[in-house]
Amino acid sequence: EAQVTQNPRYLITVTGKKLTVTCSQNMNHEYMSWYRQDPGLGLRQIYYSMNVEVTDKGDVPEGYKVSRKEKRNFPLILESPSPNQTSLYFCASSLMATGGGYYGYTFGSGTRLTVV
Amino acid sequence: SQKIEQNSEALNIQEGKTATLTCNYTNYSPAYLQWYRQDPGRGPVFLLLIRENEKEKRKERLKVTFDTTLKQSLFHITASQPADSATYLCALGDDKIIFGKGTRLHILP
Repeated sequence: EAQVTQNPRYLITVTGKKLTVTCSQNMNHEYMSWYRQDPGLGLRQIYYSMNVEVTDKGDVPEGYKVSRKEKRNFPLILESPSPNQTSLYFCASSLMATGGGYYGYTFGSGTRLTVV
Repeated sequence: SQKIEQNSEALNIQEGKTATLTCNYTNYSPAYLQWYRQDPGRGPVFLLLIRENEKEKRKERLKVTFDTTLKQSLFHITASQPADSATYLCALGDDKIIFGKGTRLHILP
């Protein structure tokens, strides 16, 4: 089944303890992205990647890191989590169209992170 | 800065009628625009993508229009059903894709 898999689904952690949220897709998509979703603020893009070893900042990159060493994986790293990073996180991927542009995103099921 | 506006108030529609949702944007000339459906606690699901050179696109009971002069997209669900109740998001962008905050749609039986 074509899908984007995020792990873990739920995570409670303490301030300052490094964590990684994994994201993997099995559709050979070039484009991958991370979003956080907060009440009243909607989905905000953290980082995106157009291919292996190519990453760029979205609208809210502070406090996050990403890497794209393989096409299928795009982990989100919080080096020193803080309570304001408590949120629902989504990973998404998309095929890039020939000649430019994209097709629709496939989203993962989400990771609900609480930082205390 | 780029901005997307969707009606933040919930939209209540009687079953069987057509629901129309609006997405307006400013300070941007996107090459294409997308619509998604999101149910509570779940990831958005892609519905339709329309490119700047397309005026209208259809998929089953769904129809999207894209007016680059008005900077507006309309999303229609015809013959609406209670199962269509959800939050609908529009998104635009090229490499950097931004989402509107969504409109909650309630289809009343």
